[in-house]
Order: sequence, then structure tokens, then C-alpha cells
Amino acid sequence: KNQVEQSPQSLIILEGKNCTLQCNYTVSPFSNLRWYKQDTGRGPVSLTIMTFSENTKSNGRYTATLDADTKQSSLHITASQLSDSASYICVVFLSGGYNKLIFGAGTRLAVHP
Amino acid sequence: GAVVSQHPSWVICKSGTSVKIECRSLDFQATTMFWYRQFPKQSLMLMATSNEGSKATYEQGVEKDKFLINHASLTLSTLTVTSAHPEDSSFYICSARVWGGEAGELFFGEGSRLTVL
Repeated sequence: KNQVEQSPQSLIILEGKNCTLQCNYTVSPFSNLRWYKQDTGRGPVSLTIMTFSENTKSNGRYTATLDADTKQSSLHITASQLSDSASYICVVFLSGGYNKLIFGAGTRLAVHP
Repeated sequence: GAVVSQHPSWVICKSGTSVKIECRSLDFQATTMFWYRQFPKQSLMLMATSNEGSKATYEQGVEKDKFLINHASLTLSTLTVTSAHPEDSSFYICSARVWGGEAGELFFGEGSRLTVL
């Protein structure tokens, strides 16, 4: 069964601290994995796209990693800001012409001053 | 990047009425659009896949007669919540897929908040 599991479910950190969000997946056939940020009451916005051959990709203070062997991905946020408070959603795209995406349940991050 | 627009951004209606939500791709053509609903503090739940020129594909447990989807053009998909009830109150989000590269890109609308009284 295709599944995407994220942890932790929620996280509270202080402004300026770093944090790492996890995404484990059992999806086949795998095409790529994406991290999205969703502010409350808004639509998700893409942060990174990780293909099978990529291990690390950065987007500003966001760094995503992918281990295709263990089927794990992480999103590391450096020097957190109050504006980082949001839900972070891991989405896995299937390949082979499948018009299918598998969504994780998301991690709710709260950055406190 | 590509822009997906939803309208209305919020709507309040009486129980028993029908509500239509529009999803437009503003600067690209989208043969495939997705509709989701999201309850407070929960993640997105895929409701259906909207295919231009053909019937939508609904996820298990989603009533197709309750949530009518029409994708009559390459830039517009609509979701109609028929005979809405308070339990239909939710945040509805659409997304459009742009093909190309590694399975393309997925752009989300800003969402439409429905409150049924």
C-alpha cells in the first residue's frame, strides 16, 4: 500500500533554532518527492523537489534530503523565523504515467519568539 | 511560477443550498486538476481528480452526486457542493498539474473556505 508518513505531527521551537522534519514513504513506482509549506488558511507552496538521484537540495534556509534506499526524506530548517510557522507537507509523485500523488499528513510547526 | 486562482475565497451559505467553487489556471493550460478538502488542523484529503473533457475520478468515500466536478476547459474546473449541510463546512483547495520534466509541477490555489449555516 502506498503511504507517506510524516513526523513529528507537531513541533514547537524557539525563534532562531533549527529543526528537522521527517518523511518516510512506501510508494511505488517512485518519481519524486516534494515538500510544501502551507500557511494557515492558504494553499500549499512548493519548497523543494527531490528526484530519485538527488540526495540534498537547498532553498534558502530550507534543506531537503532524500535517501532512496531507506525511502526517507527530511526537511531541515535553519535559523527559524516566526514566519516559518506553518504546516509542512511531504508529497510523493508516482511515475510510469500514473496521475497519482500520495500526501503525508503534514507536520505543524510553531515558532515562538 | 504558474498561478492557480480560486474563487470565491470564502463563502457562507444556508443549509440545503448549492455552492460552486471555481479553479482557474491563469497562465497555463491544465488538463488535470485536483480537488481537496481540509478540516482544521488536518492535512489535505484528495477528493477527486478532474480531467478536462471527461468525467472526474473520485476518491473512495467521496459522493460524486454531492460534489459535482466539471472541467469543461483547459483553464477552468468547478466544484459544486450540492445541498450543502453544516458538515460540508471545510476548506476546499484545488491544484493544477503542469506536465514536463520529472512528473511536472503541482500548483495549488489559495483555497475556498465554505461555511454552511
